[in-house]
Amino acid sequence: NAGVTQTPKFRILKIGQSMTLQCTQDMNHNYMYWYRQDPGMGLKLIYYSVGAGITDKGEVPNGYNVSRSTTEDFPLRLELAAPSQTSVYFCASTIGREQPQHFGDGTRLSIL
Amino acid sequence: GQQVMQIPQYQHVQEGEDFTTYCNSSTTLSNIQWYKQRPGGHPVFLIQLVKSGEVKKQKRLTFQFGEAKKNSSLHITATQTTDVGTYFCAGRDAGNMLTFGGGTRLMVKP
Repeated sequence: NAGVTQTPKFRILKIGQSMTLQCTQDMNHNYMYWYRQDPGMGLKLIYYSVGAGITDKGEVPNGYNVSRSTTEDFPLRLELAAPSQTSVYFCASTIGREQPQHFGDGTRLSIL
Repeated sequence: GQQVMQIPQYQHVQEGEDFTTYCNSSTTLSNIQWYKQRPGGHPVFLIQLVKSGEVKKQKRLTFQFGEAKKNSSLHITATQTTDVGTYFCAGRDAGNMLTFGGGTRLMVKP
């Protein structure tokens, strides 16, 4: 099993550009999450989804959008990249809300 | 909103020394999870504590949940170089939101 797969692994964007961070999981998990991790800091929840067609805001949703059209995929969209969005982005999934979260390898994003 | 604080932020130890990280929540938790993140890696689940006063052990790691369910600790006995990484606690509140602490980065000198 691949688990949680994130693409790309690295990306450099210019200010104002847009991009989509991809996340897919093959464990049939209903719950999926997007976090950002700034250098030396903990994880901040951006958006989460409890199932296909359902998404909700986390702690730091501004500047991001998500969609969940299938159980497997949970892409994160940056519309107008800003330097403050330079971070490592982790996608995670879990079979139940109170179960352990399984993380992808992350996307390291720099905005210059 | 809920806040989860971890101390210390960093810890350097000599291999063989013990290590402890502490996690404190601003609200009572329904449960707490611990994760380890190796340098350049992603968080990996270690354990979940649910009951007041619960203590769980995994080899050299001992996890404790406070009686009031507002604090937790992770203690590593006789650290090894393989223990290097950042240890995060993540507390779940009554609203079912999981909030991560800032992590404690452990460095071990061989």
